[in-house]
Amino acid sequence: GNSVTQMEGPVTLSEEAFLTINCTYTATGYPSLFWYVQYPGEGLQLLLKATKADDKGSNKGFEATYRKETTSFHLEKGSVQVSDSAVYFCALSPWGFQKLVFGTGTRLLVSP
Amino acid sequence: DTGVSQDPRHKITKRGQNVTFRCDPISEHNRLYWYRQTLGQGPEFLTYFQNEAQLEKSRLLSDRFSAERPKGSFSTLEIQRTEQGDSAMYLCASSSTDKKSVIVNEQFFGPGTRLTVL
Repeated sequence: GNSVTQMEGPVTLSEEAFLTINCTYTATGYPSLFWYVQYPGEGLQLLLKATKADDKGSNKGFEATYRKETTSFHLEKGSVQVSDSAVYFCALSPWGFQKLVFGTGTRLLVSP
Repeated sequence: DTGVSQDPRHKITKRGQNVTFRCDPISEHNRLYWYRQTLGQGPEFLTYFQNEAQLEKSRLLSDRFSAERPKGSFSTLEIQRTEQGDSAMYLCASSSTDKKSVIVNEQFFGPGTRLTVL
């Protein structure tokens, strides 16, 4: 089946620290991969995406690379800010299907 | 473009009552999705529509759940005879099948309706 596994949180960092949130997936075929972010009190927002192996998605200083050999899509940011505090969800869309399959989410807390 | 809207934002009901939620997608989007999110979990897919046709339903969508999109615009999700296990955030999303998004399936989410069943 299709599934996404994320590292458990919360991840607690100081401002300007380096961030990695691990995400691995199981899927048949060639899924598209996504990171969504949910800020406090707001709805899910697409952060970045990648559609094929070795694609790198990037947005707002965040990056993730589609690694088919390791079935991973880890989220990274070189220098986090307090405003990055949110819950981050890794997701996949199976090839030929419309639904998104989400991981359980990782809460990021950034302190000044 | 005001984004995806959902109504109500919060609903408290007693076990056994029926509830109905509404979703208004982004106006030019022809696909509409419903998800359910429980505390500490990621959203789980329930069903999706392309225009007015309901094309996929999850096994999570029991007989007590019904979704409609009668004119291919807004959608309603009804839960009959609510149970405490139905307490969750119900999320709606929409997407477009234009050439820029047909492969990527970029879904835009609404703020959700939080259901509490007492």
